[in-house]
Amino acid sequence: NAGVTQTPKFRILKIGQSMTLQCTQDMNHNYMYWYRQDPGMGLKLIYYSVGAGITDKGEVPNGYNVSRSTTEDFPLRLELAAPSQTSVYFCASSWGTGETGELFFGEGSRLTVL
Amino acid sequence: QQQVKQSPQSLIVQKGGISIINCAYENTAFDYFPWYQQFPGKGPALLIAIRPDVSEKKEGRFTISFNKSAKQFSLHIMDSQPGDSATYFCAASIKGGTASKLTFGTGTRLQVTL
Repeated sequence: NAGVTQTPKFRILKIGQSMTLQCTQDMNHNYMYWYRQDPGMGLKLIYYSVGAGITDKGEVPNGYNVSRSTTEDFPLRLELAAPSQTSVYFCASSWGTGETGELFFGEGSRLTVL
Repeated sequence: QQQVKQSPQSLIVQKGGISIINCAYENTAFDYFPWYQQFPGKGPALLIAIRPDVSEKKEGRFTISFNKSAKQFSLHIMDSQPGDSATYFCAASIKGGTASKLTFGTGTRLQVTL
């Protein structure tokens, strides 16, 4: 199984440009998440989804948008890139919550905004 | 308060030694405490987890100790090996959450030397 697949792995954007980080999972998980990881800051939740058509904001949603049209796909959109969005982005999925909510992460997308 | 405080930021341990990473939390609504392990260039992966009604959980060389009254929990890695060199994140989630929305600590970079 591929698990959680993220593309691209690396991207450099200019300030004000837009882009979409792609995420797909083949585990038939209902729950999907986007986290960003910054040095010394841990992982912060950007957006999450509890199923197709349902999304909600996490801790740091400003500057991002998401959609969930299928169970498998959960793209993250950056509309007007800013240097503060330079980070490593991780998509994750889970079967359930709490003890059944083990997060399965992709390998990350490293984004640099110059 | 959603914060989970983790220490130390980095740790160097000799092969065969014990690695200890500590976390503390304030929100008593947290009821699930996993630890994730992340190797360079990879996404985090679940290592071990505990619920607050248990004081200790052991899986192989990895042990979580939990002190509910002090609102602290720690990861102990016995007989540390070079292959354990990675970044470790403690995390916590709230009971009854609508998704597996984990609050992560800031991470500990462990280096096990020969």
